[in-house]
Amino acid sequence: DGGITQSPKYLFRKEGQNVTLSCEQNLNHDAMYWYRQDPGQGLRLIYYSQIVNDFQKGDIAEGYSVSREKKESFPLTVTSAQKNPTAFYLCASSPGQGVIMNTEAFFGQGTRLTVV
Amino acid sequence: AQKITQTQPGMFVQEKEAVTLDCTYDTSDPSYGLFWYKQPSSGEMIFLIYQGSYDQQNATEGRYSLNFQKARKSANLVISASQLGDSAMYFCAMRGPRDGQNFVFGPGTRLSVLP
Repeated sequence: DGGITQSPKYLFRKEGQNVTLSCEQNLNHDAMYWYRQDPGQGLRLIYYSQIVNDFQKGDIAEGYSVSREKKESFPLTVTSAQKNPTAFYLCASSPGQGVIMNTEAFFGQGTRLTVV
Repeated sequence: AQKITQTQPGMFVQEKEAVTLDCTYDTSDPSYGLFWYKQPSSGEMIFLIYQGSYDQQNATEGRYSLNFQKARKSANLVISASQLGDSAMYFCAMRGPRDGQNFVFGPGTRLSVLP
């Protein structure tokens, strides 16, 4: 089945550690996104990538890093510079800029990150 | 930048009744797409319905319909015959060229369906 897989589902991080959240898609989508969601809040864009080997900062990129070496994969690293990383992280994908605006974003199941 | 406003943090509806969730948006793009997503307590994001800015007809998908008023920049979601399983967070989102075709989400509305 085509879809987006995020792992792990739950992740615990000690203060000062970097952690990497995995996001893999087999939908052949060009565009991929990372969102952060705090309890009771909406989704805020961290990073996005419209094509392999290229990515752009979103609204809240500080303390995060990404890579896009393969079309299928868009991992997110939460660095020690992110002072309040406890949140729910959602990865999404969609067809890229050549296929516009009537195509929805497809989401993974999310990773719940907690700092301990 | 484009912006989505959802003014109802929480809504209650009796089972089997209809409910309208409000969404207004701000954009200067002539062409854009509007989306509604449902997020149950499990956290997954479920796509419900899409409306294009040039669509003449309001979108419908089963029990979901979108009341699109372009001049007022509103795209309200109407859920008919509410079910207990409709209890969830609902997000309105927009996609347009001004934000690099990224999806911009509103703050959401928490819908509770009462038996």
